[in-house]
Amino acid sequence: SQELEQSPQSLIVQEGKNLTINCTSSKTLYGLYWYKQKYGEGLIFLMMLQKGGEEKSHEKITAKLDEKKQQSSLHITASQPSHAGIYLCGAFINTNAGKSTFGDGTTLTVKP
Amino acid sequence: DAGITQSPRYKITETGRQVTLMCHQTWSHSYMFWYRQDLGHGLRLIYYSAAADITDKGEVPDGYVVSRSKTENFPLTLESATRSQTSVYFCASSPQGGRIVTGELFFGEGSRLTVL
Repeated sequence: SQELEQSPQSLIVQEGKNLTINCTSSKTLYGLYWYKQKYGEGLIFLMMLQKGGEEKSHEKITAKLDEKKQQSSLHITASQPSHAGIYLCGAFINTNAGKSTFGDGTTLTVKP
Repeated sequence: DAGITQSPRYKITETGRQVTLMCHQTWSHSYMFWYRQDLGHGLRLIYYSAAADITDKGEVPDGYVVSRSKTENFPLTLESATRSQTSVYFCASSPQGGRIVTGELFFGEGSRLTVL
């Protein structure tokens, strides 16, 4: 998607290390989702952010929405092999009702 | 508590054949979506529907047809399948959409389609 840019495209980290994935929008964000996916499987909802400055945490995963920068970051603390997968950000940024868009995903590998 | 289900989960077909992927949700969500997922392209929106009998094109609608005669069903039809339509297809639903994001997207498990 050109509207949502994720970085990096892929990431390999050693177990126990911290990491950050970024999602930047070219348009105004009206809210943003983070999903996780094991390749070939369905998407698992992680969290949704709606307000500028909002920060949410789930276990060792924290996400923050910076509306001024039209950016969200996903931070994983003390990564584990179970964190491996594809992380996707998604948002409704189009004024056409219902039109959602997703980033291309970040593939995370955690080495034991 | 079935949620959202897709069928078939796996399908192999030949070029030129018609294929229909089914999507059924039990929550009475207003919005339903079809995405395709390909390596290097992430999730791309094919079509979406705001309610029964209301559908609209997404990012990559060419070669696909949708209908929504009932709130709970949102079938996706490939009228004449091509090899470029080999992909994993995901259906999703949401209680709301639009500019005010108040509900998450609930995804089905995906349908893996191979066009030979």
